[in-house]
Amino acid sequence: KQEVTQIPAALSVPEGENLVLNCSFTDSAIYNLQWFRQDPGKGLTSLLLIQSSQREQTSGRLNASLDKSSGRSTLYIAASQPGDSATYLCAVRVDSSYKLIFGSGTRLLVRP
Amino acid sequence: DADVTQTPRNRITKTGKRIMLECSQTKGHDRMYWYRQDPGLGLRLIYYSFDVKDINKGEISDGYSVSRQAQAKFSLSLESAIPNQTALYFCATSRRQGEAFFGQGTRLTVV
Repeated sequence: KQEVTQIPAALSVPEGENLVLNCSFTDSAIYNLQWFRQDPGKGLTSLLLIQSSQREQTSGRLNASLDKSSGRSTLYIAASQPGDSATYLCAVRVDSSYKLIFGSGTRLLVRP
Repeated sequence: DADVTQTPRNRITKTGKRIMLECSQTKGHDRMYWYRQDPGLGLRLIYYSFDVKDINKGEISDGYSVSRQAQAKFSLSLESAIPNQTALYFCATSRRQGEAFFGQGTRLTVV
């Protein structure tokens, strides 16, 4: 059974710092991996989608990498800002249902 | 307007009542999903549908039912609401292996 783990569960950094969020999954047979952002009480906003054949994707200050063989993905946030404070979720798409299996998220606080 | 719209956004209902949560999308996606989010448990899949004639159970379908009225509409019903169904509910859409898009969520409280 596929399990997705995100470490750390919470992270607090000063503004301007570069940071890395980690996501690991137990079964490398995935179709793709998607990173989301969730603000408190709000919906999920898609940040980056990495197909299984890709190694990384970039959008602005965000860079996500994927290493299927080791079951790992990282989300790199450059020059963090207070507006980046949110919970970040990773999810892998598995099997023919194409459903997403989610991690529990990393709650990020960027201090001014 | 949002690409994936959920109604209502908030709802308080009593134990034993039937309630329907609605989802509509303008993305033109064929696949639609219902998830619930609970603190500490993450998001879990309730039901999913590939088209109007295709409905599939997810990992936590007991106590729920769904209806795919059209390609753009997917509703979730709680036949007889119970307090442990208090959660944040999300509708999502995608194409086959494409990016998933989520609605803003429905916060449901069962008292």
